[in-house]
Amino acid sequence: DSGVTQTPKHLITATGQRVTLRCSPRSGDLSVYWYQQSLDQGLQFLIQYYNGEERAKGNILERFSAQQFPDLHSELNLSSLELGDSALYFCASSARQGTNYGYTFGSGTRLTVV
Amino acid sequence: AQSVTQLDSHVSVSEGTPVLLRCNYSSSYSPSLFWYVQHPNKGLQLLLKYTSAATLVKGINGFEAEFKKSETSFHLTKPSAHMSDAAEYFCVVSDLWNNDMRFGAGTRLTVKP
Repeated sequence: DSGVTQTPKHLITATGQRVTLRCSPRSGDLSVYWYQQSLDQGLQFLIQYYNGEERAKGNILERFSAQQFPDLHSELNLSSLELGDSALYFCASSARQGTNYGYTFGSGTRLTVV
Repeated sequence: AQSVTQLDSHVSVSEGTPVLLRCNYSSSYSPSLFWYVQHPNKGLQLLLKYTSAATLVKGINGFEAEFKKSETSFHLTKPSAHMSDAAEYFCVVSDLWNNDMRFGAGTRLTVKP
């Protein structure tokens, strides 16, 4: 157990629907990062939050949004889902804002859009 | 911007033989370099990291990597492969204090009995 908790582990939904993925960072970590892993795109950085504020954006679609709450857990919202959104979504956390210390990853949420 | 190239998409070794997974990086500043491992249906686990201290970095499970600035390389090695080492390995680079970690495409390691 890495200490980063992601729920749910698996999610199957239809095209056009909206889903919410949840992440609880490791105790004491203030930064949360979201990644998408697919066979054709590899591991893609989506977005980062630090202590409730958005700090960096990667290849995140406009249909996707995220937030980090006062208790530091984070949610990734995916809307108007398309077949191509099927992927593994990882959350990672780190103690500080910079990437010098490496991340701790959760076990991921596997999203299947049918 | 920094980038990383994993030179082999797939490496196959026999159990008990050495492992070499190759990684070259590009970075404008002093890089931080990491190796992560991903077992099937699992998250990514940090194997080791280089952050401008000793150039030879020892990680978990007997893995180590050497930072070679002149060659812009950070290859991952292990003297003797174990069946449990079969997994996907990712080389990662970030500029110091940059909020952007760049992952390589990954190298799938197969270990034959």
